[in-house]
Amino acid sequence: EAGVTQFPSHSVIEKGQTVTLRCDPISGHDNLYWYRRVMGKEIKFLLHFVKESKQDESGMPNNRFLAERTGGTYSTLKVQPAELEDSGVYFCASSQDPRDRTRSGANVLTFGAGSRLTVL
Amino acid sequence: AQKVTQAQTEISVVEKEDVTLDCVYETRDTTYYLFWYKQPPSGELVFLIRRNSFDEQNEISGRYSWNFQKSTSSFNFTITASQVVDSAVYFCALNRAGANNLFFGTGTRLTVIP
Repeated sequence: EAGVTQFPSHSVIEKGQTVTLRCDPISGHDNLYWYRRVMGKEIKFLLHFVKESKQDESGMPNNRFLAERTGGTYSTLKVQPAELEDSGVYFCASSQDPRDRTRSGANVLTFGAGSRLTVL
Repeated sequence: AQKVTQAQTEISVVEKEDVTLDCVYETRDTTYYLFWYKQPPSGELVFLIRRNSFDEQNEISGRYSWNFQKSTSSFNFTITASQVVDSAVYFCALNRAGANNLFFGTGTRLTVIP
């Protein structure tokens, strides 16, 4: 079974440019998450999709970040325009269990290898 | 508020030594889940264990063991007879029941020297 795939593995852009990160979750996983790790700090939640719907986007830093998941399959995270503080590793994760209030919070997430973004 | 603290930034041990990675958490919830993930050099986060707040039994899986103590809000991870392949960054995380997101610590980089 293929894991969570992220592309690109590393992107270097100038401040003010646009970057789009892509995540392909495990086939059949309804839940898709984006997380970010700024160097040396903790990994922080950005948002959560259930199929194509945004379930929780409370972790999105600001409106320069746009996440989409058209058709409920792969997801993209666009940063426009990029700023220096956006540098970090962006992780995508997916899980199979449907959002179920009796079991919420118990999901085991499968993570990808991350997309490293460097903004110069 | 939820918080996970991994005070050890980097640890180096010689192969075959035992090593314990510390994790201390904060939460006001009575129901929550604790996790450990391993990040090898390839980059992906690999799930190691999930523990719910009502199960304080320690767990052993091969050379890995976990000590969950609610009294001290700790969920420590011990590797026995460490091997070079154990070299990685290890993350401890907390998930509130009913919530979507994991709260991670800053990670501990473990280097096992041959």
